[in-house]
Amino acid sequence: QVQLQESGPGLVKPSQTLSLTCTVSGGSISSGSYYWSWIRQPAGKGLEWIGRIYTSGSTNYNPSLKSRVTISVDTSKNQFSLKLSSVTAADTAVYYCASVVVTPNVYFDLWGRGTLVTVSS
Amino acid sequence: EIVLTQSPGTLSLSPGERATLSCRASQSVSSSYLAWYQQKPGQAPRLLIYGASSRATGIPDRFSGSGSGTDFTLTISRLEPEDFAVYYCQQYGSSHPNPGYTFGQGTKLEIK
Repeated sequence: QVQLQESGPGLVKPSQTLSLTCTVSGGSISSGSYYWSWIRQPAGKGLEWIGRIYTSGSTNYNPSLKSRVTISVDTSKNQFSLKLSSVTAADTAVYYCASVVVTPNVYFDLWGRGTLVTVSS
Repeated sequence: EIVLTQSPGTLSLSPGERATLSCRASQSVSSSYLAWYQQKPGQAPRLLIYGASSRATGIPDRFSGSGSGTDFTLTISRLEPEDFAVYYCQQYGSSHPNPGYTFGQGTKLEIK
């Protein structure tokens, strides 16, 4: 079955760029049935959608983060990635990658286990 | 942006009781675009309900979803010990040119 796994540094300095990768296994990221998304959750708080990408490279971002976010896809590696620039302590969170079913219903059906990213000097 | 407000913030019940969780949207949401998730400590959210009322694969039938427009409900008919967790509703807004997703703030279901 399809599984997602986040990877990347667990500690990022303020003002630097957070970079994470999600590896999709057990299925093709190019299947066309899904969008691929990033979601984050600060400790003890709720879920915040960051953005999504389709295998064509088409993206949509949360307006509150849009100026700092880039999501990209590498179909040859079955991966998609997140870059968040100019990070501050407010960006400390568990970051999840997820697959998004888009037809006919829309929902996040599979999630990675999440990776904690701490922004600190 | 559509805002989802969940109530109550915390619900204290005993195993065997019925739980009713509410999710209210600031404007109308298509039922096709409303989902519910369960999250236990240290775990990723798990899909429970999609399309407002369809159970995801492997979800017990004690979980049910209902509602339309701006008012949606997740009901757990008879609470099992493993059901105590945080529950989130989520919607998709397809407005061009900025489609996106929002979550409610969550309802914590705790053992009384």
